[in-house]
Amino acid sequence: EAGVTQSPTHLIKTRGQQATLRCSPISGHTSVYWYQQALGLGLQFLLWYDEGEERNRGNFPPRFSGRQFPNYSSELNVNALELEDSALYLCASSVRDRGVSTDTQYFGPGTRLTVL
Amino acid sequence: AQSVTQPDIHITVSEGASLELRCNYSYGATPYLFWYVQSPGQGLQLLLKYFSGDTLVQGIKGFEAEFKRSQSSFNLRKPSVHWSDAAEYFCAVGARRGGKLIFGQGTELSVKP
Repeated sequence: EAGVTQSPTHLIKTRGQQATLRCSPISGHTSVYWYQQALGLGLQFLLWYDEGEERNRGNFPPRFSGRQFPNYSSELNVNALELEDSALYLCASSVRDRGVSTDTQYFGPGTRLTVL
Repeated sequence: AQSVTQPDIHITVSEGASLELRCNYSYGATPYLFWYVQSPGQGLQLLLKYFSGDTLVQGIKGFEAEFKRSQSSFNLRKPSVHWSDAAEYFCAVGARRGGKLIFGQGTELSVKP
């Protein structure tokens, strides 16, 4: 069974540009989560999508946004990039069983975003 | 406030020695608890999880963890460390209804020959 996949592996942008990161969950998983792992700041929750809807977002500005597609894959968009957005962005997926999340999140390898 | 504390930023153990990584949590409801491991530049791999029942849980790679409600702790243990265990270890807490995980700051494990 394939795990969570993310693309691209690395992304280099300049300040002010936009970045788009993609995530494909494990087959059968309907929830997708995004986390930011920046140097010195640890793992911070960004966004949670389930069944195509945004369920929760972390303490990040609105220029961090995303969506979930009908096939449950997801996209994270970061507008007006700032230097401090440089980080490893991790996607995770989980499955909901009869409306209850098992909350076991399985992570992808991440996208390393570098903002110059 | 919900939080996870991993008191040890960096631990060095000799290969073959036992290991215990500490994790303390603060959470209003009954928590789901997890340990993940991350090799440099990689994603997170789930080692084990606690939802309910037996407070001693077994995971992959010979790891185990014990949930102690009275101490709000979920420490990770391994009886004999291998050089390949060198990595960063994260403890996390989540809600039963799903949603975000709250992570500790991580403990970096080094293994010396």
